[in-house]
Amino acid sequence: EVQLVESGGGLVQPGGSLRLSCAASGFSISSYWMHWVRQAPGKGLVWVSRINSDASITNYADSVKGRLTISRDNAKNTLYLQMSSLRAEDTAVYYCAREDYSSGWYELDYWGQGTLVTVSS
Amino acid sequence: DIQMTQSPSSLSASVGDRVTITCRASQSISNFLNWYQQKPGKAPKLLIYAASVLQGGVPSRFSGSGSGAVFTLTISSLQPEDFATYHCQQSYRTPPFTFGQGTKLEI
Repeated sequence: EVQLVESGGGLVQPGGSLRLSCAASGFSISSYWMHWVRQAPGKGLVWVSRINSDASITNYADSVKGRLTISRDNAKNTLYLQMSSLRAEDTAVYYCAREDYSSGWYELDYWGQGTLVTVSS
Repeated sequence: DIQMTQSPSSLSASVGDRVTITCRASQSISNFLNWYQQKPGKAPKLLIYAASVLQGGVPSRFSGSGSGAVFTLTISSLQPEDFATYHCQQSYRTPPFTFGQGTKLEI
């Protein structure tokens, strides 16, 4: 069974840092592009970042460029999001998701349960 | 960036109703359009990809249509478990994989 489990969220002060992890099981992340998507309380989904299978390509939303860094450890089957210079507007539930391209279209077919990041003093 | 706009933002309906949600892209995205269902406190779940292809295990009362810049999600006969928020997402020119603002379907 495919599973994604995020961890590492919590309360952090503005300007602080946090590292989120997403542990995968039931499949090997080395074969997939992986994504982070966030959702502020009561708001819609916002795409944050993605990384290709060998970590040679990363993309970011403009709002997080230079502050959030996506990475992966295929040997540990784990995706990461290093967050720094955090702002109140980064407060959200952060989801990791797997991208499936086997059909020729791009869709996020499996999602983790999310981890809440709260940026507040 | 491509902008995605859903309508309506919220919708009240009853069990057994037929409902349609619309998603419009700011430019043509061919059929690179996905639909997700999200229940309160839960992760999104992929319902439809490529505008009209049902993900495995999704009931056939769900259907998607459209191409270019206008897309619809239709639920033919609402069931109690269908009351949720629905999100569209484009995957045409990436990044970013932009989402619509969501449509909350309420009883």
